[in-house]
Amino acid sequence: AQKITQTQPGMFVQEKEAVTLDCTYDTSDPSYGLFWYKQPSSGEMIFLIYQGSYDQQNATEGRYSLNFQKARKSANLVISASQLGDSAMYFCAMRVVSGGTSYGKLTFGQGTILTVHP
Amino acid sequence: EPEVTQTPSHQVTQMGQEVILRCVPISNHLYFYWYRQILGQKVEFLVSFYNNEISEKSEIFDDQFSVERPDGSNFTLKIRSTKLEDSAMYFCASRGQTFYSYTFGSGTRLTVV
Repeated sequence: AQKITQTQPGMFVQEKEAVTLDCTYDTSDPSYGLFWYKQPSSGEMIFLIYQGSYDQQNATEGRYSLNFQKARKSANLVISASQLGDSAMYFCAMRVVSGGTSYGKLTFGQGTILTVHP
Repeated sequence: EPEVTQTPSHQVTQMGQEVILRCVPISNHLYFYWYRQILGQKVEFLVSFYNNEISEKSEIFDDQFSVERPDGSNFTLKIRSTKLEDSAMYFCASRGQTFYSYTFGSGTRLTVV
């Protein structure tokens, strides 16, 4: 069974600073994908970034980058140049391909509430 | 950009009543999902649906839940006899062939009183 752990219930950062949100995962499957989603107070789930287990380079999307350390089973999200609009809940999620099949269930972590101070 | 549409955005129902949550996935997507998020907690998988049948379900998805794709466009989640603990945000999601390309709806907030 797969598991995602986010150990930071809440994080604070000053506007324009960078922040790292931690995520560790556990799976015995060699093929998997890691996701980060943003959930603002309005409730919708916004996809931020994706990293595949076989990807050689860390994923980047604008101000978001994923620090993927496979041996440590960690997939931390780095947000550079934080903005007030980044204040939200952030979820790490994982999808595995088990036994050659996968219908795509995502397993989510507990989430981290990020607050950006002006 | 294509969207997943969920209706209603908020539903209040009495305990013991049946509710149907509706979703219109992206038209060329093949995989459909329901997730649940109890207020302030993590998002939990309920069920996945592919090729007109349930492909995987969680232990939460017991006999009071059912899913249907009645007309090739809508994807519904039915809760037969709601309980107070069913109060949550319910998200529908769909995915095409791409491994990572999920699109979530805006959610339906269900309140059972």
